[in-house]
Amino acid sequence: KQEVTQIPAALSVPEGENLVLNCSFTDSAIYNLQWFRQDPGKGLTSLLLIQSSQREQTSGRLNASLDKSSGRSTLYIAASQPGDSATYLCAVNLNTGGFKTIFGAGTRLFVKA
Amino acid sequence: KAGVTQTPRYLIKTRGQQVTLSCSPISGHRSVSWYQQTPGQGLQFLFEYFSETQRNKGNFPGRFSGRQFSNSRSEMNVSTLELGDSALYLCASSLVGGATNEKLFFGSGTQLSVL
Repeated sequence: KQEVTQIPAALSVPEGENLVLNCSFTDSAIYNLQWFRQDPGKGLTSLLLIQSSQREQTSGRLNASLDKSSGRSTLYIAASQPGDSATYLCAVNLNTGGFKTIFGAGTRLFVKA
Repeated sequence: KAGVTQTPRYLIKTRGQQVTLSCSPISGHRSVSWYQQTPGQGLQFLFEYFSETQRNKGNFPGRFSGRQFSNSRSEMNVSTLELGDSALYLCASSLVGGATNEKLFFGSGTQLSVL
């Protein structure tokens, strides 16, 4: 059974700091891994998607890496800003002949001005 | 291009009633999946539909059901509501729901409160 774990559960940092969010998964048979952002009471916004054959993806101040063999992914946020405050969710899509998506519990990030 | 649209945005029901939630995917997307989000359990996969067929199902009781129409719009139904069904229900769409480079796009969700 695929399990996804995110560490830390919560994080508070001063503005401008670089930070790393961690995601681990138990079964390496994944289609891809996607990082999302969720603001309170809202839906999810896709940040980055890493295909199972890729090692990393970058978008602006965000960089996500994937190590399938060890079942780990990291999301690196450079020069954090107060607007980055949100919950960050990691999700793996399983190879089941269609999407079956398993989410981690998320990391709640607060960036202080 | 319009995003994923979920209706209604908020819903209040009482125990024992049933409820139907609607999801319109992004134009051209044929895979629709549903999720339940609660503070205690986080985001949990309910089911996924493609071409009017359920392809994958999560670990939820039979009270939770869904369907997909020929235009890819999907509905989710919960019968005999329980207090524990109070949650944010999210719908996501993707092109075909099986390619490694496919992203999931989420709607804003339906907040269901069961009293």
